[in-house]
Amino acid sequence: SQQGEEDPQALSIQEGENATMNCSYKTSINNLQWYRQNSGRGLVHLILIRSNEREKHSGRLRVTLDTSKKSSSLLITASRAADTASYFCATDVLRDYKLSFGAGTTVTVRA
Amino acid sequence: DGGITQSPKYLFRKEGQNVTLSCEQNLNHDAMYWYRQDPGQGLRLIYYSQIVNDFQKGDIAEGYSVSREKKESFPLTVTSAQKNPTAFYLCASSIGERQPQHFGDGTRLSIL
Repeated sequence: SQQGEEDPQALSIQEGENATMNCSYKTSINNLQWYRQNSGRGLVHLILIRSNEREKHSGRLRVTLDTSKKSSSLLITASRAADTASYFCATDVLRDYKLSFGAGTTVTVRA
Repeated sequence: DGGITQSPKYLFRKEGQNVTLSCEQNLNHDAMYWYRQDPGQGLRLIYYSQIVNDFQKGDIAEGYSVSREKKESFPLTVTSAQKNPTAFYLCASSIGERQPQHFGDGTRLSIL
């Protein structure tokens, strides 16, 4: 079953702009992870944020988590053409450590 | 250089045929996973294994089988019972449960 849902489904931005995508989920979680997938490739792990954390940074990436709203956001600052990819959130729920992936947000960065 | 290797990159299956997708990792990870990805959708878990000689069904295990005889290897067989096998198959591994997963570059399976 699909626990997380990303929004928007697709996003097109100019190089240098920021990109924000959101993930909503249904049941309480232990952790939430964000992954990137380039076309025709496997997923690459970006960030893991624990349920007791509210914000986390990694380079140009900023992730927030609001457990009261059951939502997370991924911000990519100063986007580059190489950021063109699909981004997925994945949650592991309490008492079940399997990851559940959303359908992803496809980001296109225009030069 | 550590990683996960999936082969082949492309695979074609005839009606009534079983095919096996290979997944090998040299990351010394205990846990391994198989996912199916259909166009425009997220990943759906087929099977996972937390330790050698043990594995569990995921959300869509029907028509698939796996084995975990070695820590490094977790092959997936798509049987003739899987009536809609056309998809992108991804293998992943992790140090343990709830940890970030490392993915291979996938096998694209099509029907002849």
